[in-house]
Amino acid sequence: SYELTQPLSVSVAPGRTAIITCGGDNIGTKSVHWYQQKSGQAPVLVIYRDTMRPSGIPERFSGSHSETTATLTIIRAQAGDEADYFCQVWDTKSSVVFGGGTKLTVL
Amino acid sequence: EEQLVESGGGLVQPGESLRLSCAASGVSVSSSFMGWVRQVPGTGLQWVAIIHRTADKWYPDYVRGRFTVSRDDSRNTLYLQMNSLNPSDSAVYYCAVGVTIPGLTEYFHLWGQGTLVTVSS
Repeated sequence: SYELTQPLSVSVAPGRTAIITCGGDNIGTKSVHWYQQKSGQAPVLVIYRDTMRPSGIPERFSGSHSETTATLTIIRAQAGDEADYFCQVWDTKSSVVFGGGTKLTVL
Repeated sequence: EEQLVESGGGLVQPGESLRLSCAASGVSVSSSFMGWVRQVPGTGLQWVAIIHRTADKWYPDYVRGRFTVSRDDSRNTLYLQMNSLNPSDSAVYYCAVGVTIPGLTEYFHLWGQGTLVTVSS
């Protein structure tokens, strides 16, 4: 089955840039989506189709994609950005696949 | 405003059944790509069922044959029938609506608040 790999945790100082990565076989051929999940809340889509941002998501959030890695970048990080972030793709054999999640700490 | 509200979670014993409901507003379940995703608190997300607009249904191996997704268009409600539950099925179950681009991708743009299922003797 297809697997996505994310770092368990990322720390960033307030006002700095947080970078969260997502890796998988041939991920460059797949469309990657990102979800933010704050403590005790449901996931929220923050990036879809690699780089697209849903309405209501701040421009500080952006996505990028290379042949080997998908990246979620959060510039000017704020305390309110603390959350778990999950990447997700669709695979022909595995269907919906989520990464294990990255805990972002802003300190 | 689009909204999904799950209900039906609770405590059941191993081997028992449970039916979850997801009441939708602002979105039509009959014309949407929808799914159920579960999460053991503190861990990752795991899909358990998908239903397309065409009513095609998909399940991962770990629930196939035990879980069934359905919808009631007149009630605009999505359901998840869970049979032969075991402790590893304990999780928060989320209902979600999303987008499917055939052959390319699927993702969820709106999630409900979740309902907790606990399977324990």
